[in-house]
Amino acid sequence: AQKITQTQPGMFVQEKEAVTLDCTYDTSDPSYGLFWYKQPSSGEMIFLIYQGSYDQQNATEGRYSLNFQKARKSANLVISASQLGDSAMYFCAMREGSNYKLTFGKGTLLTVNP
Amino acid sequence: GAVVSQHPSRVICKSGTSVKIECRSLDFQATTMFWYRQFPKQSLMLMATSNEGSKATYEQGVEKDKFLINHASLTLSTLTVTSAHPEDSSFYICSAKSGGSNEQFFGPGTRLTVL
Repeated sequence: AQKITQTQPGMFVQEKEAVTLDCTYDTSDPSYGLFWYKQPSSGEMIFLIYQGSYDQQNATEGRYSLNFQKARKSANLVISASQLGDSAMYFCAMREGSNYKLTFGKGTLLTVNP
Repeated sequence: GAVVSQHPSRVICKSGTSVKIECRSLDFQATTMFWYRQFPKQSLMLMATSNEGSKATYEQGVEKDKFLINHASLTLSTLTVTSAHPEDSSFYICSAKSGGSNEQFFGPGTRLTVL
């Protein structure tokens, strides 16, 4: 089974609207971390937000928030007030236990329309 | 914030030659560095994990004799693609973390094209 599943190959959103990018994960380790990264066409990986498995509250970083539903094993990224510069690939990733290796999903290509 | 650099950013080489890619942590000591490969329109796949002063740990299916990794200092790791073939053409990205940190800081990547 895939450890990280991103079911949306592509998403479109109008500028200034909110968008949710889906991510589900699979692990049997009670200690894990979930990450979201943005990859623009230049290729660099930009860290957006992190959620630990024991964190009680959903993570937020500016316009980014993570809708963490532990029982459903989902960690969706919500981007509020989309901007044209948000157009990029978005990857969900997971770290398990004390192992710092990251497993990435296949990504979602977000296009923000003016 | 933590900065990781990679050199070169782009390289084109002939089939059969070797190519070395450097990954440097510029403002922190990286106890662990990771090397990823990303084929066009695909996700990042971890190739190997390197800890300073010890041998790298390779993921299943990655040939350690073909992809030589050296993590000689706390700020530098190198990936050497030996006897490169066109199928090795890819985007290679490194990341680095310091001890006790959850976060990995990624380099800007190196695009390798093997003719």
